[in-house]
Amino acid sequence: GAGVSQSPSNKVTEKGKDVELRCDPISGHTALYWYRQSLGQGLEFLIYFQGNSAPDKSGLPSDRFSAERTGGSVSTLTIQRTQQEDSAVYLCASRPRSQETQYFGPGTRLLVL
Amino acid sequence: RKEVEQDPGPFNVPEGATVAFNCTYSNSASQSFFWYRQDCRKEPKLLMSVYSSGNEDGRFTAQLNRASQYISLLIRDSKLSDSATYLCGSGAGSYQLTFGKGTKLSVIP
Repeated sequence: GAGVSQSPSNKVTEKGKDVELRCDPISGHTALYWYRQSLGQGLEFLIYFQGNSAPDKSGLPSDRFSAERTGGSVSTLTIQRTQQEDSAVYLCASRPRSQETQYFGPGTRLLVL
Repeated sequence: RKEVEQDPGPFNVPEGATVAFNCTYSNSASQSFFWYRQDCRKEPKLLMSVYSSGNEDGRFTAQLNRASQYISLLIRDSKLSDSATYLCGSGAGSYQLTFGKGTKLSVIP
């Protein structure tokens, strides 16, 4: 079946611009996560959505970062006024309600010049 | 102390060798454990879950040591295609997994 998809696969932007990253989770998966992975680093948790519950935003590094999930499916991660330190791979993952195993999308490589 | 720690490596091993990685976790409430494989410039993919009784999948064996709070991954008869970064993750019964930074494995011809 179809896995988690993310778009764009690569994004180059200028410092100060806003960017939107999209994630389509696996159909039927109720939970959705965003992570950030910088070069040589581990997975940094950003935000978690579960069904209609309020999202856990505890991992967002600053108020320039926000995310929404419409209709319990597609999610968009928005970074406003991008900075060079925002350059990283942004990974989305989803999982079914009854499991802890997370399934990752291919990621969006963001480069802020 | 970080919640999940791994030796970053790299582990450079010849084909056919047996190699083992450990991953320590600090949260004693952790209940679920996973090994993910991440190829260069790719997303992490689930390799195997780690059960309290240990589990084996072909050449791969995962073990959990609750007393010492670590999980291990053993790879027997290493293949060139096993070259990747191996991430461990643990969950404390909530919805979040905490991941280590990964251990890099290079299998050499």
